[in-house]
Amino acid sequence: DVQMTQSPSSLSAVVGDRVTITCRASQSIYTFVNWYQQKPGKAPNLLIYSASGLQSGVPSRFSGSGSGTDFTLTISGLQPEDFAVYYCQQSHSTPIAFGGGTKVEI
Amino acid sequence: QVQLVESGGGVVQPGRSLRLSCAASGFTFSNFGMHWVRQAPGKGLDWVAVMSNDGSNKYYADSVKGRFTVSRDNSKNTLYLQMHSLRAEDTAVYFCAKSRDTSIIRGPIVSWGQGTLVIVSS
Repeated sequence: DVQMTQSPSSLSAVVGDRVTITCRASQSIYTFVNWYQQKPGKAPNLLIYSASGLQSGVPSRFSGSGSGTDFTLTISGLQPEDFAVYYCQQSHSTPIAFGGGTKVEI
Repeated sequence: QVQLVESGGGVVQPGRSLRLSCAASGFTFSNFGMHWVRQAPGKGLDWVAVMSNDGSNKYYADSVKGRFTVSRDNSKNTLYLQMHSLRAEDTAVYFCAKSRDTSIIRGPIVSWGQGTLVIVSS
């Protein structure tokens, strides 16, 4: 089974910061990684698919990169509405797995 | 637009059963794979199960295998999760979610319901 290790588990930032979240897979998953944002009391929302594809409607300050086992979500110019929890997910094989989450807070 | 509405959650005793439903609208339900994902209070996302668009393929997390069964009725645009032998650790909000593709792996989850809360407690 593929395990996803996400870091950091939380980080403090201010508006305008460049924020980087990483996810490491326990084996190569090519580019089958997706990133989601979740705000309190809400369902998750897809940001990035296939490691670097920007989902329609998502601001361009969000970007993803990586392949194989190491992946990165970057927020360039953090906005107030970006304070949330972010999850990576591997969709290479079942059982599908999410990373543990990264809480981005002030 | 895509709408996914879960129902069937509630408080249930350990060892008992519960069936969740997810009513889908706004898209051609029979064309897409569908997932169940859960989230325990204050915890992260935990994938539960997935079913292909035609019901021919289904996969489960190890933690629920043999206890939970995913099914769908494409004529009713509804996804189900039958849960047996419930445990305290199954307490969570259960989300129904839509795959981007017919394929049940490789693609992302593009739409989510608002979830239904299951509490397993005596």
